[in-house]
Amino acid sequence: DTEVTQTPKHLVMGMTNKKSLKCEQHMGHRAMYWYKQKAKKPPELMFVYSYEKLSINESVPSRFSPECPNSSLLNLHLHALQPEDSALYLCASSQDWGMRGDIQYFGAGTRLSVL
Amino acid sequence: TQLLEQSPQFLSIQEGENLTVYCNSSSVFSSLQWYRQEPGEGPVLLVTVVTGGEVKKLKRLTFQFGDARKDSSLHITAAQPGDTGLYLCAGAGDKVIFGPGTSLSVIP
Repeated sequence: DTEVTQTPKHLVMGMTNKKSLKCEQHMGHRAMYWYKQKAKKPPELMFVYSYEKLSINESVPSRFSPECPNSSLLNLHLHALQPEDSALYLCASSQDWGMRGDIQYFGAGTRLSVL
Repeated sequence: TQLLEQSPQFLSIQEGENLTVYCNSSSVFSSLQWYRQEPGEGPVLLVTVVTGGEVKKLKRLTFQFGDARKDSSLHITAAQPGDTGLYLCAGAGDKVIFGPGTSLSVIP
């Protein structure tokens, strides 16, 4: 089983709303990731969690707030977003971030539209 | 800084044609992954290559890892409309690096 589950699949929100994206994996992976992807571009890394601790924040604006409640769950809290934040948000997990040869498995993504 | 380049960036071909997509870097990777992504969906892992010179086949898709583990190619034989998508290579070393992708359209 190499499944990473993301909810919701689609989200429309106003610039004053607060919403959360959720990600779950049961592969025993200890690393989880959030990526942002614009159309026909590669995924851009936002955050890396390793053993439930934030290891990388790629200078992401504070209106994006990640949370890792346990080793299987990863959330991304959204507040006061801008229209340019509209994108596909991808969650991924891997066995061990920084381990040579580590492979990331992706969820289907959340398509976010900010009005 | 590790970088991956992919070529071509865009490719539009007729059904039944063959094609090759390239992924190149000046860095050595311990392994390299190929993903295919359809619009609105997440990248789906196609293959991982680990050994320099390794060749892997997945039905009509053939993947090769360069001898020096710096580059890789993906060859598709007799392309079908279902092959349409964004093909991403990702090099794994101390961390994972993604290439910019090749957007493939196969016209019926």
